[in-house]
Amino acid sequence: DAGVIQSPRHEVTEMGQEVTLRCKPISGHNSLFWYRQTMMRGLELLIYFNNNVPIDDSGMPEDRFSAKMPNASFSTLKIQPSEPRDSAVYFCASSLFVMGTSGYNEQFFGPGTRLTVL
Amino acid sequence: AQKITQTQPGMFVQEKEAVTLDCTYDTSDQSYGLFWYKQPSSGEMIFLIYQGSYDEQNATEGRYSLNFQKARKSANLVISASQLGDSAMYFCAMRERGYSTLTFGKGTMLLVSP
Repeated sequence: DAGVIQSPRHEVTEMGQEVTLRCKPISGHNSLFWYRQTMMRGLELLIYFNNNVPIDDSGMPEDRFSAKMPNASFSTLKIQPSEPRDSAVYFCASSLFVMGTSGYNEQFFGPGTRLTVL
Repeated sequence: AQKITQTQPGMFVQEKEAVTLDCTYDTSDQSYGLFWYKQPSSGEMIFLIYQGSYDEQNATEGRYSLNFQKARKSANLVISASQLGDSAMYFCAMRERGYSTLTFGKGTMLLVSP
C-alpha cells in the first residue's frame, strides 16, 4: 500500500516565484496536515483538513501561503510570492480521524519537500 | 505554555546500551494519546510507538518502550540495546480528545557511538 506521496522532493526557486507543493494522502484517510520544519522553529503545523474541509489554518504564516484540498486524494500548498525565509522542509501527513476519540490514529508522513528559495 | 516539552536537545549513547529520551506534556484532558516519531538524517518521519492515556500497561514495540507516568505527565521513550541506526532526531507528540492534530515537541537528537 502506498504511503503519503509528496512532490516535488526538492524545489529550488528564486525569490518572488510561485511555488506549488503537492500531496496525495493515504487512501481512506480523512485528515490531511501540512507541516513546515526549520532548524529555528522545529515542526510547525500550517493547516489541516478534515474530509477535504480546512479546519484550522492559524498556522499559515501569512497571506502568501494558501492550501487547497479539492478532493480526498489530493492537496496543494502554494506560496506566492516566495521569499528566502520560506526555505524549509514541508511535510504532508494524513490520518484516519474518528470524532470523539483520542485513540490510536497515527499520522503518516510523506517524505517531505525540501524548498530552497534563493 | 508548551504542551510538549523535550528538555534534552541532544543525547549520546554507546552502542548496545539503553537510553531514555524525556518527554513531559501538559493537558487538562483525561483522554489523550502520546506518540513518538523518529526522524533520521534522510528526513522522513517514522512512527515508533503510541500510548493512550487510559492504557494501563506501558507500550512496547520491539526495542522501544514508553515509560508512562500519568501523575507526572511524562512519557519517556526507552530504547534498549542501542544500534548505530538509532542515531536520529526523536519527537514526542500528543493528541487530545476531539482533535485530529498532533502537538510536537522540539525534538531530541540522539547519537549512538560504536
